[in-house]
Amino acid sequence: NAGVMQNPRHLVRRRGQEARLRCSPMKGHSHVYWYRQLPEEGLKFMVYLQKENIIDESGMPKERFSAEFPKEGPSILRIQQVVRGDSAAYFCASSPGRTGGYTFGSGTRLTVV
Amino acid sequence: AQSVAQPEDQVNVAEGNPLTVKCTYSVSGNPYLFWYVQYPNRGLQFLLKYITGDNLVKGSYGFEAEFNKSQTSFHLKKPSALVSDSALYFCAVRDIGQAGTALIFGKGTTLSVSS
Repeated sequence: NAGVMQNPRHLVRRRGQEARLRCSPMKGHSHVYWYRQLPEEGLKFMVYLQKENIIDESGMPKERFSAEFPKEGPSILRIQQVVRGDSAAYFCASSPGRTGGYTFGSGTRLTVV
Repeated sequence: AQSVAQPEDQVNVAEGNPLTVKCTYSVSGNPYLFWYVQYPNRGLQFLLKYITGDNLVKGSYGFEAEFNKSQTSFHLKKPSALVSDSALYFCAVRDIGQAGTALIFGKGTTLSVSS
C-alpha cells in the first residue's frame, strides 16, 4: 500500500511559469483534498474533488489556480503564472468517503524565484 | 461556518511531564474531530479522531484527547512527554451534517519537549 503519492517533492519555478502538482490517492480512495501550508498560517483548505467532479473549491484563489481529478490518473493542481507569494508547501490528502480521516501525502514544496 | 482555534502557538514541556495541546471548535451541528502531527519536512500523520461515543479517545503514540461538548473543546493530552514528541500538532473539525465539506484545520501548535 503505497499511501498518497505526491510529486514532485520539490519544484522550483520562475515567476510567470506554470506549476503542476500531482497527487495519486491511496488505493480505494476516491476523494481528494488539496491544502496549502504557509509559514505562520497553518494548513489552508483549497479544493475537494471526487473523480471528475469538483465538490468544493471555496478555498481556491479565483485566478491562476485550477484543479482536476480525472477518471484515470492522478489529481492535478495547476498554478498558472506563478508569483513569489505562491511559494508554499502543497499537501494532498485522500479518503475513502465523505466521513473519516484523511491520509496525507508528503507534500510538494513550491519555490518561486 | 466551521472553525478551529488552537490558542497556543507553542507549548514547552519537560520530558516525563504531562502535556496538553488545546483545541476549541465551532460547528453548527455535531463535529467530527481529529488530531494530526507533522514532523519537519513531512506530511501530516493521523493521531486520533472523535466521531461519537466515549468522550475520551485514545490514539497513536500514547496520545489521547477528550471531547467536551459544553466547552466545545478537544484537547490533546499525553501523560508523559518524550523528546521525540516534539513536532507541529494540528486539530481539525468537520460538521457531520455538512456532507461534501472538507476538514478545517487549526493553525497548529508547536510542541517542544526538552530533555
